[in-house]
Amino acid sequence: SYVLTQPPSVSVAPGKTARITCGGDSVGTENVHWYQQKPGQAPVLVISYDTDRPSGIPERFSGSISGNTATLTISRVEAGDEADYYCQVWESSDHYWVFGGGTKLTAL
Amino acid sequence: EVRLVESGGGLVKPGGSLRLSCAASGFTFNTHSMNWVRQGPGKGLEWVATVSSASNYIYYGDSVKGRFTISRDNAQNSLYLQVNSLRAEDTAVYYCARGDSSSSERPSDYWGQGTLVTVAS
Repeated sequence: SYVLTQPPSVSVAPGKTARITCGGDSVGTENVHWYQQKPGQAPVLVISYDTDRPSGIPERFSGSISGNTATLTISRVEAGDEADYYCQVWESSDHYWVFGGGTKLTAL
Repeated sequence: EVRLVESGGGLVKPGGSLRLSCAASGFTFNTHSMNWVRQGPGKGLEWVATVSSASNYIYYGDSVKGRFTISRDNAQNSLYLQVNSLRAEDTAVYYCARGDSSSSERPSDYWGQGTLVTVAS
C-alpha cells in the first residue's frame, strides 16, 4: 500500500522557520493536504491542494512541492504552533486516502 | 456555522457492533462528501471510509473493509458508520469530517470532536 513518510519530530526556536516534509511516490502527481492537530483537539486543515491556505489560516503557513516531496513551512513559529502535523494524499488509482505518520512540532 | 457532532461510541466487547452517527448542520449537507477518520490512543490519523454526496461512490480503508459500512441520510443531514466484528485494534476516537465538495477526493475542511470506541472484554 501507498506510504507517505514524515519525520517524527521537528524542533525550532520561536520566531524561526519550521519545515516539515512529506515524501511519497505520488507526491507531485496527486494533491497534498496538511492538517494541524493540537492535543485533545480535532485536526484542522491548514494547507490544501499543495499550496492553498484555507480561510482563517495565518499567512505564516505555506506549502510547496519539489519532486516527490511536499513541504509545510511555518514562518515565525509561535508557541501556539506546537502540534502534530499530518500530510494526506488521495490515491486516485485505487481510491483511498493516505495519511503520513505525523510530525510533532516543538517550539524550543 | 458548520457543526459536526458525533455520537454512538462506547465500550464494546470483541466481536461486537456499534452504530456511530454524525449530525451535520450549518451547511448544505447533500453537496459535500463525508468521511470517517480514526485515531488510536497515542497514534496517528487513519482514514476509515468516504461517501460521496449522493452515495454513488463509497470507499473503505483496507483494515475495515468487509466489517464497517458507511452510509448517509441527506434528508436527515446525518452520516453513519456501522462497525461490526470489532477488534481491540479498532479502539480509537472516530472523527466525522466534511469533504470540501461533492466528490470523494476532496480534503476534509471541517471535523467533529470525535466519539470514542473502546473494544475490550
